[in-house]
Order: sequence, then structure tokens, then C-alpha cells
Amino acid sequence: AQKVTQAQTEISVVEKEDVTLDCVYETRDTTYYLFWYKQPPSGELVFLIRRNSFDEQNEISGRYSWNFQKSTSSFNFTITASQVVDSAVYFCALSEAGSGGSYIPTFGRGTSLIVHP
Amino acid sequence: KAGVTQTPRYLIKTRGQQVTLSCSPISGHRSVSWYQQTPGQGLQFLFEYFSETQRNKGNFPGRFSGRQFSNSRSEMNVSTLELGDSALYLCASSLADQGVVNEQFFGPGTRLTVL
Repeated sequence: AQKVTQAQTEISVVEKEDVTLDCVYETRDTTYYLFWYKQPPSGELVFLIRRNSFDEQNEISGRYSWNFQKSTSSFNFTITASQVVDSAVYFCALSEAGSGGSYIPTFGRGTSLIVHP
Repeated sequence: KAGVTQTPRYLIKTRGQQVTLSCSPISGHRSVSWYQQTPGQGLQFLFEYFSETQRNKGNFPGRFSGRQFSNSRSEMNVSTLELGDSALYLCASSLADQGVVNEQFFGPGTRLTVL
């Protein structure tokens, strides 16, 4: 079973629309970390946000907001008033402790967001 | 501040050869992680080094190895290349120990093609 599921393979919107990217994760650890990254066409991954398992506060950063809900094991990402520059592949990731006590990050398959002008 | 740099950017090798990729982290960052990205398997974690010690390791065969030098620069090596090793190899650096649970800064990647 996938540990991080991004069910939306591709989303296409028109500029100024709001869009939500879904992320569902699976872990037995009580301490874990969740991330969102953006990979624009240039290829370089860009860190967007990190959340630890003890901090369920939602966060807003400009047009970006994140909704972390442990009850549903979800960490969704919303872009408000999307812009063409938001076009990229977005990855959700989970870091949890492996059997040896070290942390192993697992990435979802990514959601390709296309924003049309 | 200069970002994470990776060399070379593109590489073509044949099956059975070995390859060494290099990563220079952001100045002051002591954690370096490596990732493999392929269309089939997606993004997968290889390993992380901090202060010349391997801190975390993903589920890859022993053909994949790495090391970190005292100046925090890191190299990864893949021996006995297979066609399936064709991928974009990404390096990331972090200020913190356990970079994989903190903010990481990624380089542009090395595109390896195995023929």
C-alpha cells in the first residue's frame, strides 16, 4: 500500500480559480513529518512547508494554505486565485522513522497542476 | 548565497560501468541528502549524510553508495550500472541534522542515462 497517496494525477484550471491538491498518508508512527514541495518545469524541487505530527494548526502563506487533519490522515494544499506561475508538479511527502530509527522520506507520485491564462 | 550545485548536469554511461555524481551544498549546510527520480518509481530517497556520517538510508541495493567530505561536499557512486538506473539524481542540503525532517534546498539534478 502506498504511504502517501496523491490521487489527482493532473489538475487543469483557469487563472484566478482556487485549487486544492489532496494528500492522504499512512503511518503507524506517532512522530512524523509532512511536507509539500513544488517542482516547476526547470526541475528543481522547492520546499513549501513542513508540519510535524503534533502540530495540527492550519497554515496560510499568501495565496497558499494547508489543512492538516490527523483524523483523516490528510494534508491538503490549497492555492487561492491561481496564477500561471503556479503551474508545476506538486509533491506531498512523509518522513517517518524506519526500523533502524532513522528517518525515511516517502513521496507521493505528484500532482501536475496546469494553470491556463 | 550560492545554491546547491550538482555536477555533472548530464551523463551518459553504458551498462556495467560505474558513475560518480557530485554535490556541493549551500555554504554552512552540513546535511546532504540524495534522491532518485524516475517516471516509473517517482521520487525515492537514497541516503543522507551529516558531518561525514550516513544518518539515514533508503531501500536501495548496495550498488548505490555515498560519502561526505569534511567540507560537506558529497558524492554518490553507482557501480555496475543497469538500464533501470537511468534517472534524475537530486541532491538536497539542509542546515539541520536530520535534513529529511527539516527544510531542504535542492539542486538542479544530474540526468543519468544508461545505455
